Amino acid sequence: AQKITQTQPGMFVQEKEAVTLDCTYDTSDQSYGLFWYKQPSSGEMIFLIYQGSYDEQNATEGRYSLNFQKARKSTNLVISASQLGDSAMYFCAMREDFGNEKLTFGTGTRLTIIP
Amino acid sequence: EPEVTQTPSHQVTQMGQEVILRCVPISNHLYFYWYRQILGQKVEFLVSFYNNEISEKSEIFDDQFSVERPDGSNFTLKIRSTKLEDSAMYFCASSRALGWEDSTDTQYFGPGTRLTVL
Repeated sequence: AQKITQTQPGMFVQEKEAVTLDCTYDTSDQSYGLFWYKQPSSGEMIFLIYQGSYDEQNATEGRYSLNFQKARKSTNLVISASQLGDSAMYFCAMREDFGNEKLTFGTGTRLTIIP
Repeated sequence: EPEVTQTPSHQVTQMGQEVILRCVPISNHLYFYWYRQILGQKVEFLVSFYNNEISEKSEIFDDQFSVERPDGSNFTLKIRSTKLEDSAMYFCASSRALGWEDSTDTQYFGPGTRLTVL
């Protein structure tokens, strides 16, 4: 079974608009971390933002924020005021805190910002 | 800001040859990882390494793969006899702590080595 599901293979958004990238996850652990990484065309993986399973507030980091809905097991990434440089692949990932150290990634969403 | 570095950025090799991919993790990090990403696919975990030994490995990490920390700064991934299907981007990552030690800790990735097996 997929542990991380990203249902949007590609999205096109007008510059300066906000965009939401969806991510749902599956775990029976109580303690886990959720991460978003950006992969531009150059290929590197850039850490964007983190949400812990016990965090009561949604994480924010500059123009990035998470809409974390624990009961629905979703952690959607919101990018406000999108810029051309936001065009990239975006990966959602989960780390189950006990017994596993690895990150499990989703299949990614390719975001294209239209000028 | 400290970062993970990887060399080479691109490696081309013939099938059956051995390759060594090199990584320098962030200096105060204790946990090291290798991931790979076949072109157009998701990132997959290969192996984690702590205190000079493998702490977890995936089913991809078979006997053809090995990891080593030969000195205080480098972390290497060796593929003994490369196959065509080993062609991928290989990412090294490091973290200061594990999830159960510090749930906020993050794995930071290097820029990757693109391995092409001909």
